[in-house]
Amino acid sequence: DIQVTQSPSSLSASVGDRVTITCRASQTIDIYLNWYQQKSGRAPNLLIYSASTLQSGVPSRFSGNGSDTDFTLTISSLQPEDFATYFCQQSYSGATFGPGTKVDLK
Amino acid sequence: QVDLVESGGVVVQPGRSLSLSCAPSGFPFSNYGMSWVRQAPGKGLEWVAAIWYDGSNTDYADSVKGRFTISRDNAKNMLYLQINTLRVEDTALYYCARELFWRGPMDVWGQGTTVTVSS
Repeated sequence: DIQVTQSPSSLSASVGDRVTITCRASQTIDIYLNWYQQKSGRAPNLLIYSASTLQSGVPSRFSGNGSDTDFTLTISSLQPEDFATYFCQQSYSGATFGPGTKVDLK
Repeated sequence: QVDLVESGGVVVQPGRSLSLSCAPSGFPFSNYGMSWVRQAPGKGLEWVAAIWYDGSNTDYADSVKGRFTISRDNAKNMLYLQINTLRVEDTALYYCARELFWRGPMDVWGQGTTVTVSS
C-alpha cells in the first residue's frame, strides 16, 4: 500500500499569511495527488487535483505543486474562511489520505 | 443540483452485518466511478472501497478486504456498501463520494451516515 504523510500536523497563522503544507508519498505517484479542505462537521471539499489543477469554484489563492513523491499546497493569503483541516490524497493506486493538517488562528 | 444522500447508519452489535446506501441526484450516475470513505470520530479520512462506473471493477482498502462489498445498481440509481462481521473499529461516519475520473479525485461528497458498533 502507498503511505502518505503530511507536515506539519498543525499550524497557527494569521489572516494574510502565506501558508504551505507538504505531502509526501511512500513511492512515486506521478501527479495523482489531490487536496481537500474539511471544516468541522462538514464533508471534505475538493480544492486541487492532479497535483496542481484548481477545482472549479475554488479561490485562486489556493495552489498546488509537485510530482512523484513530494507535493505542496499553498494558500497565498490566508482568509478567515480558510481555517480548517487539509488532507492530501493519493489516487495512483487505490486511495490513501494523509493524516491531515489543522490550520488555526494564531 | 448535484447531490449524494447516504442512509443506513445505525447502532449495531459487533459481529453483525449492515448495508449502507447512497442515492445520487443531479448527474448521470452511470457515467461515474464511486467511492466510500469513512471517518472515525475525531480522526482523519480513510478510503474504504471504489467501484467503476459500470460496476465491472471494484477495489478495497486492505483493512476491509473480505468484509466489505461495494456494489451499485445503475438502473435504480443507487450505490451500496455491505459490511459484514462488524468490529468496534468500524465505528465511523461513512461518506459516499463521486470520482471525477478513474484514478482521480472525489469531487462530490454526501453528508455521511453514522455507523456505531457497540455491545
